[in-house]
Amino acid sequence: NAGVTQTPKFQVLKTGQSMTLQCAQDMNHNSMYWYRQDPGMGLRLIYYSASEGTTDKGEVPNGYNVSRLNKREFSLRLESAAPSQTSVYFCASSEIGGTSPLHFGNGTRLTVT
Amino acid sequence: DQQVKQNSPSLSVQEGRISILNCDYTNSMFDYFLWYKKYPAEGPTFLISISSIKDKNEDGRFTVFLNKSAKHLSLHIVPSQPGDSAVYFCAASVTQGGSEKLVFGKGTKLTVNP
Repeated sequence: NAGVTQTPKFQVLKTGQSMTLQCAQDMNHNSMYWYRQDPGMGLRLIYYSASEGTTDKGEVPNGYNVSRLNKREFSLRLESAAPSQTSVYFCASSEIGGTSPLHFGNGTRLTVT
Repeated sequence: DQQVKQNSPSLSVQEGRISILNCDYTNSMFDYFLWYKKYPAEGPTFLISISSIKDKNEDGRFTVFLNKSAKHLSLHIVPSQPGDSAVYFCAASVTQGGSEKLVFGKGTKLTVNP
């Protein structure tokens, strides 16, 4: 059972380049999330999708866009990468929001030079 | 404004002893609390949760205590094992504007020494 799969695992970008982080879950979950983890900052929500066809901003959405392609897939796009976006990105899913435990992928480590 | 605080960045205990990880929150509207464990190079995994209508929830070696009046929760691990060495995140949930919001603390790194 794969759970939540994120690709790529590692990525190095130059400032101004764009890229899309991919996420897919096979648990038939309704809600999906993108978090970033920075040293000493914990996990901060970038965007979430409560259900297929909906997306909403989280705590730190600036510089990012998302697409809920279908129930399984939720992608995160950086249109013009900046060094401040160097971070570890985690995708997560849950049956419903809030009280349902989140299931996380193993993360994408992104470095922007 | 940090609504969920884990004031100890790290904690070190001996194998077999009790580990106590603490979490404070400021928003009295939080009604559900969760703990996640994270190993290096992996995503966080759910550990245990508690609703605000309870003051204790137990699952094997893990017990979470909630003190609503103090806006404080703690995770007890008894007995601690070296495999428990990880970063532990406290999270709190509240419903706002029809949607549920989850706020994470910054984490506490637990080291269990053999």
